Amino acid sequence: SAVISQKPSRDICQRGTSLTIQCQVDSQVTMMFWYRQQPGQSLTLIATANQGSEATYESGFVIDKFPISRPNLTFSTLTVSNMSPEDSSIYLCSARRAGGGYEQYFGPGTRLTVT
Amino acid sequence: KQEVTQIPAALSVPEGENLVLNCSFTDSAIYNLQWFRQDPGKGLTSLLLIQSSQREQTSGRLNASLDKSSGRSTLYIAASQPGDSATYLCAVILQGGSEKLVFGKGTKLTVNP
Repeated sequence: SAVISQKPSRDICQRGTSLTIQCQVDSQVTMMFWYRQQPGQSLTLIATANQGSEATYESGFVIDKFPISRPNLTFSTLTVSNMSPEDSSIYLCSARRAGGGYEQYFGPGTRLTVT
Repeated sequence: KQEVTQIPAALSVPEGENLVLNCSFTDSAIYNLQWFRQDPGKGLTSLLLIQSSQREQTSGRLNASLDKSSGRSTLYIAASQPGDSATYLCAVILQGGSEKLVFGKGTKLTVNP
């Protein structure tokens, strides 16, 4: 398995500001992913982050709102830009190693509240 | 569009009981299916991964089965304990290259001492 940490674990932010969430994996991984878990809803993939290339965004998510960086094989960041109360969610990072049947491992999540 | 449904949404059982959680998916062209556990305020812990060519996987008191043709998976928990109380999530990856996990909304399990 992979051990994944996220910072911050939670934050309360004001409308219109931005927050950058960091995701660190304890070993090199091929793929990293960012998911959102809104209250009462299923986890939804925001984007897939490949090292050295642009992130691939899912329908309904755009780079201007959720810019992602992946500078190396163990680290990624997600920024939630120009926040509104609708962005209040748990944001989770996950990762997959080469091989292993595409099993994904998740970080502890970042609980974001926008006021 | 792949949809994943988990029934029941919540389940409360006495300690020691064996139980089954259900997961169904609409598109049988999956690459694999993964069961997770989520504790309140925490991230997801991977429990079991079943490849599309497999019928079941076991880990300790947990056994997951997969019937791809009917679009169903079950997670069997034997001799449940209060520490098993959590939300259990089922997710699938579709064939075709994307590694996107499509999740159900989960089953919230409470095991009472």
